[in-house]
Amino acid sequence: DAGITQSPRHKVTETGTPVTLRCHQTENHRYMYWYRQDPGHGLRLIHYSYGVKDTDKGEVSDGYSVSRSKTEDFLLTLESATSSQTSVYFCAISDRTSGRSGNEQFFGPGTRLTVL
Amino acid sequence: GEDVEQSLFLSVREGDSSVINCTYTDSSSTYLYWYKQEPGAGLQLLTYIFSNMDMKQDQRLTVLLNKKDKHLSLRIADTQTGDSAIYFCAESIRARGDYKLSFGAGTTVTVRA
Repeated sequence: DAGITQSPRHKVTETGTPVTLRCHQTENHRYMYWYRQDPGHGLRLIHYSYGVKDTDKGEVSDGYSVSRSKTEDFLLTLESATSSQTSVYFCAISDRTSGRSGNEQFFGPGTRLTVL
Repeated sequence: GEDVEQSLFLSVREGDSSVINCTYTDSSSTYLYWYKQEPGAGLQLLTYIFSNMDMKQDQRLTVLLNKKDKHLSLRIADTQTGDSAIYFCAESIRARGDYKLSFGAGTTVTVRA
C-alpha cells in the first residue's frame, strides 16, 4: 500500500471516550488525508493536510480533529466518540508533484472503529 | 460523494464483460479515476483518464469519457473471479484553491461462475 500504515487496524470503544488513529507514511509525500467509508456513501473526506502543521477541514469534519507534527505522521482524534462515528477510516497520501495524474492518492489498509 | 453517482451493484458471469457507469457534476474536473477495493483492503488505483481524452485502454480495462454528458464508464473485458470487488469512481475537483477527490458510493461487482 505505497508505504502507508494505519494503527490500530481494529478498535472497539465506548461512547464518550477519546480515540486517536494514526497514519504513518514512508513516501515523504506532502499531502495526507483522512476519509471515512460508510455503506452507500463511498468515501467522505474528514480532514487533510498539505504540510507539517498545515491542515484543513473536509466535508465531514465535525467531531474530529487532526494533527501533523511530522511529514510522516497524520493523527486523527475523536475527542468524544459517538456511535455515529462507527466506520472504517482510511488514510491516503498524495505527491501531486508528478503532474502525471493530478491528485492521484494512495490509500492505507484502513482502521475499523466500532463505538458502542 | 453526492456529486458523483454510480449504480450500487453489478452481477456478471465469468468471462463476460462488465461495464460500470458513473456520472459526475463538476465540468472543470481535470482527472477522473477508477479505484478498486477488495474485501478488507484499502483502495487501489486501477486507472485514470485526463479530461481531454475520450478513451483510454489498459489491458483488460477500457475507460470511456463523455464530457458533454459528464459520464464515465469502466469496461472490464473477460471478467474473472478476482475482479469481484467494489469499484469507485472519483473526480478531481478544485475547491478552496486546492484539488480534492470526490468519490462515488461505489459499485459492488459480483462475478458468478
